[in-house]
Amino acid sequence: EDQVTQSPEALRLQEGESSSLNCSYTVSGLRGLFWYRQDPGKGPEFLFTLYSAGEEKEKERLKATLTKKESFLHITAPKPEDSATYLCAVRATTSGTYKYIFGTGTRLKVLA
Amino acid sequence: EAGVTQFPSHSVIEKGQTVTLRCDPISGHDNLYWYRRVMGKEIKFLLHFVKESKQDESGMPNNRFLAERTGGTYSTLKVQPAELEDSGVYFCASSPGSHQQYFGPGTRLTVT
Repeated sequence: EDQVTQSPEALRLQEGESSSLNCSYTVSGLRGLFWYRQDPGKGPEFLFTLYSAGEEKEKERLKATLTKKESFLHITAPKPEDSATYLCAVRATTSGTYKYIFGTGTRLKVLA
Repeated sequence: EAGVTQFPSHSVIEKGQTVTLRCDPISGHDNLYWYRRVMGKEIKFLLHFVKESKQDESGMPNNRFLAERTGGTYSTLKVQPAELEDSGVYFCASSPGSHQQYFGPGTRLTVT
């Protein structure tokens, strides 16, 4: 069964304390892995798309990497405004159709 | 450029009543998706429109849910009759292709 698992469920960091969020997946026919940021009361906001193992994407303090089994979202020197829920989703193909499968997210809190 | 909009932002209805949710995608986006997040669970795919056609509706829970996209513009999701387990946040997303999706703020549905 296709599955996406994110860890940890919640993470508290001090401002400037770098860390990584994990997204492990078991899907057939991966056609992209997506990272989103979601603030309370809002919809997910797109961050990155990764398509193949070894690929990396960066944006400000965030860097996403991908292997054949998992993806990491590295946060370097985080600031309080980075506090949010970070969602991972995969796009997989099954019998000619595409499906989007989300993880439950990691709630990040960055303390000043 | 206006983002994806959803109406209403909140809806509280009694079990057995009917509710219609509306989504206005970003202009020019042929792809429109509906998702639902039940409390404590991951965001789950409901269905996917390409223009006015249903590309994939495999995530629709049952026949109490009806989605339409007349003219390939806005979309509605009707729940009739609503049950307690239908409570959650319903997200709409649109995309110009089959990759990056832009999410709306969601409609929080509470069935009492």
